Amino acid sequence: GESVGLHLPTLSVQEGDNSIINCAYSNSASDYFIWYKQESGKGPQFIIDIRSNMDKRQGQRVTVLLNKTVKHLSLQIAATQPGDSAVYFCAEGGGGADGLTFGKGTHLIIQP
Amino acid sequence: NAGVMQNPRHLVRRRGQEARLRCSPMKGHSHVYWYRQLPEEGLKFMVYLQKENIIDESGMPKERFSAEFPKEGPSILRIQQVVRGDSAAYFCASSPAALNTEAFFGQGTRLTVV
Repeated sequence: GESVGLHLPTLSVQEGDNSIINCAYSNSASDYFIWYKQESGKGPQFIIDIRSNMDKRQGQRVTVLLNKTVKHLSLQIAATQPGDSAVYFCAEGGGGADGLTFGKGTHLIIQP
Repeated sequence: NAGVMQNPRHLVRRRGQEARLRCSPMKGHSHVYWYRQLPEEGLKFMVYLQKENIIDESGMPKERFSAEFPKEGPSILRIQQVVRGDSAAYFCASSPAALNTEAFFGQGTRLTVV
């Protein structure tokens, strides 16, 4: 069946560097995509979303890029901080579905 | 304005018992979504409810699982005759409208079946 997946299960970066987390999706009918951050023992926390008619959206220290040609989504975190350590999930929604379809997640580890 | 409240945070049940998970949405939110998360996995959609109505239960197992969202009180996810494979974290999210981009998640209930 169609699903959302991530390329790397773990990403380790130096504090202060930029992080790029990738996501591949397969449902071309999805209307929007969301990035979530999940810390250990907590629920997913909304970071940023992007609609399917956009290719880039910026927030505070984060940028999401959407490439519909290759069905690829990425989350860029600028100047990574220790508090950014978490598992990051991409999710897709809309396209007739009521719920979100989540990927498996990327564990971001920040090295001092 | 309190966030989405789920209780209990941790629940241990023996095989064959019933598990009842509660979700109180944020104030003003009438849409509730339940998700299940297995260890090292992403969340899987189970059911979408509005007040007193089940809108979409396509992700819910056909047997032993049920959900409700009464006019008064929290949304309840009920699992009857639990088995070890039901052990997971169960999250609910609420939103003011049928748009997931405005949904907030609770902290989850971690169910362990022994």
